[in-house]
Amino acid sequence: QKEVEQNSGPLSVPEGAIASLNCTYSDRGSQSFFWYRQYSGKSPELIMFIYSNGDKEDGRFTAQLNKASQYVSLLIRDSQPSDSATYLCALNMNRDDKIIFGKGTRLHILP
Amino acid sequence: ETGVTQSPTHLIKTRGQQVTLRCSSQSGHNTVSWYQQALGQGPQFIFQYYREEENGRGNFPPRFSGLQFPNYSSELNVNALELDDSALYLCASSPWGAYEQYFGPGTRLTVT
Repeated sequence: QKEVEQNSGPLSVPEGAIASLNCTYSDRGSQSFFWYRQYSGKSPELIMFIYSNGDKEDGRFTAQLNKASQYVSLLIRDSQPSDSATYLCALNMNRDDKIIFGKGTRLHILP
Repeated sequence: ETGVTQSPTHLIKTRGQQVTLRCSSQSGHNTVSWYQQALGQGPQFIFQYYREEENGRGNFPPRFSGLQFPNYSSELNVNALELDDSALYLCASSPWGAYEQYFGPGTRLTVT
């Protein structure tokens, strides 16, 4: 079983709607979880990270973590065309540890 | 605050050659990690450096090696290049004790 699983997409969402991106992971020892955004041909950009169960909000972004279900999600409210990108779910086991990435979900916001 | 920088931006090499990629960490960050990202895949961890020592390595052969310098900058060296080494090479920096890492713009390596 892959360590971090994401639907590759593409996920198409109308402009102004909520985009919901999901991720599951296999190792219950995972400590911290990240969402990176990657535009085509560019490097990943960290947009959110979460350590504790529950929700964490930052502007239009909300990360949700459920360690019992081994599930992480990212909600993007009021989606904009500029949100069209690949979203990488990632985790690590400890501070200073390598980050393990999923393959990413392609998000397409329809104008 | 200066972010992570990498050089060169693009590079084309021939199979069997050697390549050196460079990274300068973000100001205040003393830990550098290198990742390889093949097309359509997530980044894969190569290794990490802290205090000029390798501090963890992924599933990459010994022909991938690295260095960290006293100013926390780092190099990734790849010997005997293979076609499958064609990828985006990413450097990420972080302060020691952090969970999160911040990526530089990457070096696109093409091996022909």
